[in-house]
Amino acid sequence: AQSVTQLDSHVSVSEGTPVLLRCNYSSSYSPSLFWYVQHPNKGLQLLLKYTSAATLVKGINGFEAEFKKSETSFHLTKPSAHMSDAAEYFCVVRNEYGNKLVFGAGTILRVKS
Amino acid sequence: DTEVTQTPKHLVMGMTNKKSLKCEQHMGHRAMYWYKQKAKKPPELMFVYSYEKLSINESVPSRFSPECPNSSLLNLHLHALQPEDSALYLCASSQDRRLAGRLRELFFGEGSRLTVL
Repeated sequence: AQSVTQLDSHVSVSEGTPVLLRCNYSSSYSPSLFWYVQHPNKGLQLLLKYTSAATLVKGINGFEAEFKKSETSFHLTKPSAHMSDAAEYFCVVRNEYGNKLVFGAGTILRVKS
Repeated sequence: DTEVTQTPKHLVMGMTNKKSLKCEQHMGHRAMYWYKQKAKKPPELMFVYSYEKLSINESVPSRFSPECPNSSLLNLHLHALQPEDSALYLCASSQDRRLAGRLRELFFGEGSRLTVL
């Protein structure tokens, strides 16, 4: 079965410094992977998605993620954190039947001024 | 701005009340979803409708009753809920996988925060 593991439950960075949110996946074949962001008391917004077209995926708000098959990873990065990036981030994989999304436990990003 | 609209944003109800949550999308998506999200947890899938037919029910208690009147609307009827049902209820939609071959990304609404007293 497909699954994702978000390696950090909380990440804290200073404004203007790089962001790294780590995600490892488990899949029996080439997965479809997503990163979603959820601000407090809001719904989920798609940041980016990997569907095998390119291993480096650019998303909204300056975020990007690199699919590394050898490491089974799909880490989310941003060169410079902004206060508005403070939120919870979910790494998500599509299940083997293609009809459901499987969510990671989430990483809460805190941005310090 | 989200293109999936959920009402109400907040709902407080007693355990004997009957209420409904509503969701609307105008993106032409033919798959719609209900998720439940407890605090500090990821969303949990409840129901999936595909072409207005219920295709997935994740063993949800019968006190939650979904309805899809047409391709743009999705309701969740609530009756005799328990305090542990208090949560954020998220609606989402996607292009149906039969069109795209496989499930594409979901577009989420902002949620309805439900409190059961």
